[in-house]
Amino acid sequence: AAGVIQSPRHLIKEKRETATLKCYPIPRHDTVYWYQQGPGQDPQFLISFYEKMQSDKGSIPDRFSAQQFSDYHSELNMSSLELGDSALYFCASSLGRLAGEELFFGEGSRLTVL
Amino acid sequence: SQQGEEDPQALSIQEGENATMNCSYKTSINNLQWYRQNSGRGLVHLILIRSNEREKHSGRLRVTLDTSKKSSSLLITASRAADTASYFCATEPSGGYNKLIFGAGTRLAVHP
Repeated sequence: AAGVIQSPRHLIKEKRETATLKCYPIPRHDTVYWYQQGPGQDPQFLISFYEKMQSDKGSIPDRFSAQQFSDYHSELNMSSLELGDSALYFCASSLGRLAGEELFFGEGSRLTVL
Repeated sequence: SQQGEEDPQALSIQEGENATMNCSYKTSINNLQWYRQNSGRGLVHLILIRSNEREKHSGRLRVTLDTSKKSSSLLITASRAADTASYFCATEPSGGYNKLIFGAGTRLAVHP
């Protein structure tokens, strides 16, 4: 079965550079979520989209932006990167804007900021 | 953590034993979900319990929910070495249909 696809899987950037992460949800899933997970930490909710519109927002820094495109894939743009942005970034998708939908996670994009 | 605490932070047991993990949360919820994560990998959904349910079973998993105490527990019975992973509870806040908030997680090690 198709899963959530994230790219790139690994990314190394210098401080103050920009990075873009991509997420391709499971076909027919219309909701995408982004999470950030630091080493040994729990996943922190950043932002979600439903039907290409921002749905909910968490602890996403102002330096980060995201959008969901017409084909439902999503991109997370991170600018002015800081050392503390080094983390695993997960995308998840779900079907429908209903309470009680389980999230399907991708394998994550590991960002290292040097 | 954005949500609350998990207890214990780490748990080490032998194969065949039961493992119990607890989770507390802060806000009213629509549902509570448990996820499993192998080291450095994506999270995998295990079980969901709605706010009007008190107990739910799935295979070797048993989840309880006490909304008055804002707490949940996950019991894994007859554990196997393959159950070694981190386990997270996650809550969907009331009125927040597209926002799942994770707790701090319990690292479970099951020894053969």
